[in-house]
Amino acid sequence: GAGVSQSPRYKVTKRGQDVALRCDPISGHVSLYWYRQALGQGPEFLTYFNYEAQQDKSGLPNDRFSAERPEGSISTLTIQRTEQRDSAMYRCASSLWSNEAFFGQGTRLTVV
Amino acid sequence: QKEVEQNSGPLSVPEGAIASLNCTYSDRGSQSFFWYRQYSGKSPELIMSIYSNGDKEDGRFTAQLNKASQYVSLLIRDSQPSDSATYLCAVLPGQNFVFGPGTRLSVLP
Repeated sequence: GAGVSQSPRYKVTKRGQDVALRCDPISGHVSLYWYRQALGQGPEFLTYFNYEAQQDKSGLPNDRFSAERPEGSISTLTIQRTEQRDSAMYRCASSLWSNEAFFGQGTRLTVV
Repeated sequence: QKEVEQNSGPLSVPEGAIASLNCTYSDRGSQSFFWYRQYSGKSPELIMSIYSNGDKEDGRFTAQLNKASQYVSLLIRDSQPSDSATYLCAVLPGQNFVFGPGTRLSVLP
């Protein structure tokens, strides 16, 4: 596609449920990043991939968070047993190769 | 710990003035630097990238980089009300981007 596409745009889930957030990067982009952004703050790094390999997952808050990019294109960020503190905007970005990165529209997650 | 710092603002400038936004970073090995503009409720939009010491101009925007002092700045000439947004500085110390908290700019008509 022309840009980075994230789905769903909005997700409301009950505490304790699992959620999966999807990111479809710009075609041909090798690097894919996941960030979380709180209101009034800059994006906070979660994890990133080059092709299908997860290069760094040091930003994932705990083991309830995981991400995959099995075919080196679409990526899924999964949050298990969601908690209210997981409520945030989750942003995905892609770049050709660790240079200029372009963001998707984000997924607003609300845990009730 | 790799950190990027920005004055959170708000920075208010009158229409037509020059807005100056500053950013400092802690990782001396950083090689790539970026400025993003984020309108309220929208996603960050890349507006400038700079890799070498000195100035880089693109239209009304000029990015300045000083690696020795570990700072990067963004100048916006002839500021317009449509420039009112949060400006995020991003640094690439390795292979993942580290963002600052952003500076909120308000251009007053």
